[in-house]
Amino acid sequence: GAVVSQHPSWVICKSGTSVKIECRSLDFQATTMFWYRQFPKQSLMLMATSNEGSKATYEQGVEKDKFLINHASLTLSTLTVTSAHPEDSSFYICSATGTGGSETYNEQFFGPGTRLTVL
Amino acid sequence: GQNIDQPTEMTATEGAIVQINCTYQTSGFNGLFWYQQHAGEAPTFLSYNVLDGLEEKGRFSSFLSRSKGYSYLLLKELQMKDSASYLCAVVDSNYQLIWGAGTKLIIKP
Repeated sequence: GAVVSQHPSWVICKSGTSVKIECRSLDFQATTMFWYRQFPKQSLMLMATSNEGSKATYEQGVEKDKFLINHASLTLSTLTVTSAHPEDSSFYICSATGTGGSETYNEQFFGPGTRLTVL
Repeated sequence: GQNIDQPTEMTATEGAIVQINCTYQTSGFNGLFWYQQHAGEAPTFLSYNVLDGLEEKGRFSSFLSRSKGYSYLLLKELQMKDSASYLCAVVDSNYQLIWGAGTKLIIKP
């Protein structure tokens, strides 16, 4: 159980275009989803945390107008990279937790990642 | 500030044992994760420690000492498929996951 999918798995786009990445929890309801970015040979960098039905919380240094996050349902969150530039080329990974709550930490289940290349 | 240290790269021989260390300084502690990540793939869960001691799971074991801010991942009977990066991540007092940079493990025949 606890499967998370991402689509697309890879995408190549021209500079200036927008790209949407979908993250779905297939067999559980994800109250919280996380979006990470990982550059080559570096660790995961948390971009934002989103809870279903509310606005995402962005990490410092992440432009919320450039990286639009929508968590409209308990099984789907989307990340849209607007006006993408070559420096946005990276590996984008989402993860999800099954139940929320401030008293406990729940394991994050990761999607397979989306490799974005901006030409 | 918050900091997690792990070696950048380690090399071991197929069939041998390797220990990957992780030290941390974080604002609070609510558990430590070890993840395995193959190149070009997302991390996969290996272990979670919140109490001191050793947790064994097949060929992999994870140890935690909260007083020392220290954990290690022990891999036995190494196989070529174990070549990957191993990420240490700590849950801080705000229940945020703080990631280490990862240790790239190279297995040689």
